[in-house]
Amino acid sequence: KAGVTQTPRYLIKTRGQQVTLSCSPISGHRSVSWYQQTPGQGLQFLFEYFSETQRNKGNFPGRFSGRQFSNSRSEMNVSTLELGDSALYLCASSPDDGNQPQHFGDGTRLSIL
Amino acid sequence: KQEVTQIPAALSVPEGENLVLNCSFTDSAIYNLQWFRQDPGKGLTSLLLIQSSQREQTSGRLNASLDKSSGRSTLYIAASQPGDSATYLCAPPTQNTGFQKLVFGTGTRLLVSP
Repeated sequence: KAGVTQTPRYLIKTRGQQVTLSCSPISGHRSVSWYQQTPGQGLQFLFEYFSETQRNKGNFPGRFSGRQFSNSRSEMNVSTLELGDSALYLCASSPDDGNQPQHFGDGTRLSIL
Repeated sequence: KQEVTQIPAALSVPEGENLVLNCSFTDSAIYNLQWFRQDPGKGLTSLLLIQSSQREQTSGRLNASLDKSSGRSTLYIAASQPGDSATYLCAPPTQNTGFQKLVFGTGTRLLVSP
């Protein structure tokens, strides 16, 4: 069974631009969550999608948004990029069952110049 | 608000030692608790998931225990190997926010020397 796939693996952008990251969950998993990881703040929850609806949201500004498609694939978008948005963005998927673990992809490393 | 602390922050040991990594959390109303490892530049690999009703979970050389009442979990690694070198993270989601919203500690960075 294929794992969680995130594309692209690396991305370089400049301040003010916008970016879209993609996540394909494990087959059969309907819940997709996004996390931001930085050296200073560690791992922080961005949002979670289930059945194309945002079900849970972290404390991030509105520049961070996401969506989920009918095949459970998810994208997150960051607009008006700032230097502080440089981070590893991780996606996790699960079958939406509290008895099952969440599985993470290898992430997208976003660097803002 | 769930807050997670992991001790020690870093650990360096010779190969073959048995290790204990500690995780403490402030909100004991958790769904479960998951332990992960993260290799440099990589994503998180799920190691063990302990349900809130369980006391222990084992996978190979790994054993995780959970004491909800005291807000503590430990990850025991037997006969450590250089391949165990990584950062270990615990994440106990709370009933208030749903089991999908993981709250992470800052991790324990483990180095096992040959």
